[in-house]
Amino acid sequence: DVKVTQSSRYLVKRTGEKVFLECVQDMDHENMFWYRQDPGLGLRLIYFSYDVKMKEKGDIPEGYSVSREKKERFSLILESASTNQTSMYLCASSLSAGHEQYFGPGTRLTVT
Amino acid sequence: DQQVKQNSPSLSVQEGRISILNCDYTNSMFDYFLWYKKYPAEGPTFLISISSIKDKNEDGRFTVFLNKSAKHLSLHIVPSQPGDSAVYFCAASGPGYSGGSNYKLTFGKGTLLTVNP
Repeated sequence: DVKVTQSSRYLVKRTGEKVFLECVQDMDHENMFWYRQDPGLGLRLIYFSYDVKMKEKGDIPEGYSVSREKKERFSLILESASTNQTSMYLCASSLSAGHEQYFGPGTRLTVT
Repeated sequence: DQQVKQNSPSLSVQEGRISILNCDYTNSMFDYFLWYKKYPAEGPTFLISISSIKDKNEDGRFTVFLNKSAKHLSLHIVPSQPGDSAVYFCAASGPGYSGGSNYKLTFGKGTLLTVNP
């Protein structure tokens, strides 16, 4: 079974803090993704990576950056957290382009 | 511009009956479609998919139908069970060759299914 793990299930941070969200997959998948999910807006893609050290902007990259130094790990960074970044953050991975993505359990981030 | 639309935010059905969740898309380059189920406080779980070369795919109680001419797909759950109560997301992607946005899945906003005992 594909396993995607995220470093925290719940996180509370203050406005202006730098926040790191970590994601690890154990299936040697090439592609990894970061989404946020908000009520009524569905899943929106923040960034994705199709290879180590490669990254591409998704639909809502503003205020975020990512890092992929190793194939199994993909980090999402909030450079200066703001209250409008309070959300559920979901990491996913996939073996091949455009096909099934497997999701982690999510991190509920609250920025106060 | 919303390329994948789930026009019903919610759906309520009785246990044992059929649940039909609908999804429309606008991008004619999409050729692979997926359904995910999501419980609260959990990540989405892949449910079933269909390639554009097919018009139906079945897996147990779940069947996905694709009507390419109408750019419409639907997920049928028969019989519905209370444990099926969740948010269902439709997703679509383009050709699976390397480069940019073809790696992406475009998701709809989801439909909350409630199956009443």
